[in-house]
Amino acid sequence: AQSVTQPDIHITVSEGASLELRCNYSYGATPYLFWYVQSPGQGLQLLLKYFSGDTLVQGIKGFEAEFKRSQSSFNLRKPSVHWSDAAEYFCAASSGGYNKLIFGAGTRLAVHP
Amino acid sequence: GAVVSQHPSWVICKSGTSVKIECRSLDFQATTMFWYRQFPKQSLMLMATSNEGSKATYEQGVEKDKFLINHASLTLSTLTVTSAHPEDSSFYICSARGTSDYSYEQYFGPGTRLTVT
Repeated sequence: AQSVTQPDIHITVSEGASLELRCNYSYGATPYLFWYVQSPGQGLQLLLKYFSGDTLVQGIKGFEAEFKRSQSSFNLRKPSVHWSDAAEYFCAASSGGYNKLIFGAGTRLAVHP
Repeated sequence: GAVVSQHPSWVICKSGTSVKIECRSLDFQATTMFWYRQFPKQSLMLMATSNEGSKATYEQGVEKDKFLINHASLTLSTLTVTSAHPEDSSFYICSARGTSDYSYEQYFGPGTRLTVT
């Protein structure tokens, strides 16, 4: 069955530190991959997406993600975290552009000053 | 651009009553709208997919007679929770995909928190 796994439920980092959020997928073929951020009172916002091509994807707010086929992973990274990055982050995948999204369980990021 | 709104943002209703949640695409036409349910500290689970003018397609395990979805126009979809019970209390989120959007992106609303007492 298709699935998306985010192994880390909760992560705490200090402001200015680097960040990596893990995401693994289980699909028959390489899916379309997405990272979303959810802040309280706001809708999910797309940070970045990967369909094909360059495996290092740049997104908004200074985030990037790297697709690794051999590891079935699509980890999200940021070199220096800001307090405003504290939020819930969801990795999602779909088997095709117009197919439904399957979300991971989410990782809650806390940022210490 | 690509803004999706939901109304109401939160609602409390008594057990046995029905409640309607609206999802609107404010600045684009949405061919397809999706309804998700999110339990506290959990992920989003797709409930149903609706295409404008067609019947919604429900995910396995979702009661279509309980969660009525109407997508009558390219800018509005509604979710009606009929005969609500406390176990229906949850955070309901809609998303929309545009008619000419080739990026496959879904734009999400801010969600509606439903509490059934």
